[in-house]
Amino acid sequence: GNSVTQMEGPVTLSEEAFLTINCTYTATGYPSLFWYVQYPGEGLQLLLKATKADDKGSNKGFEATYRKETTSFHLEKGSVQVSDSAVYFCALLGSNYKLTFGKGTLLTVNP
Amino acid sequence: DTAVSQTPKYLVTQMGNDKSIKCEQNLGHDTMYWYKQDSKKFLKIMFSYNNKELIINETVPNRFSPKSPDKAHLNLHINSLELGDSAVYFCASSSTSGSTDTQYFGPGTRLTVL
Repeated sequence: GNSVTQMEGPVTLSEEAFLTINCTYTATGYPSLFWYVQYPGEGLQLLLKATKADDKGSNKGFEATYRKETTSFHLEKGSVQVSDSAVYFCALLGSNYKLTFGKGTLLTVNP
Repeated sequence: DTAVSQTPKYLVTQMGNDKSIKCEQNLGHDTMYWYKQDSKKFLKIMFSYNNKELIINETVPNRFSPKSPDKAHLNLHINSLELGDSAVYFCASSSTSGSTDTQYFGPGTRLTVL
């Protein structure tokens, strides 16, 4: 079956630091890949997505590139802010229409 | 305007009770979902409806029964609540059941079973 593995947190950074959260997947066919963000006490919001190999999703300074050869979709941001503190989820949508999530990575950004 | 809304936001109840959670979307989507997020933040799909038809039914106790009266609504009824049902339940919707369609999530319902 489909699965998503993302780096375990928590991740703690200082403001303006570079962020990478690794995500790799196992899937049959050609899944779409997503990053969702959950701010404290809130629901999930779509951060970015990519629907085919070599696509780059980007939003709010975050980027991730769909790498089929390494089955990866790592999330990056060049300069994090305190307001980026949240839980980040990598997910894939396969041909079975089910959204499969990674376990989430808690990011804390300190001033 | 809230795209996907859920009621109630918080639900505290005793073991053995029956409760319902409601979900509504105003995005014009035809597919809706229920997810469960456990205490470790892990998210897992429970059910999905497309045009009022059940298309995904994961291994969930039959105490959980989803109902979709129309494309814009998906409710979740839980019978004989147990301690292990305590979690955050998220509703989501998407435009079709195709493989590229983004799912949009509601704010969640935090269920606490005492």
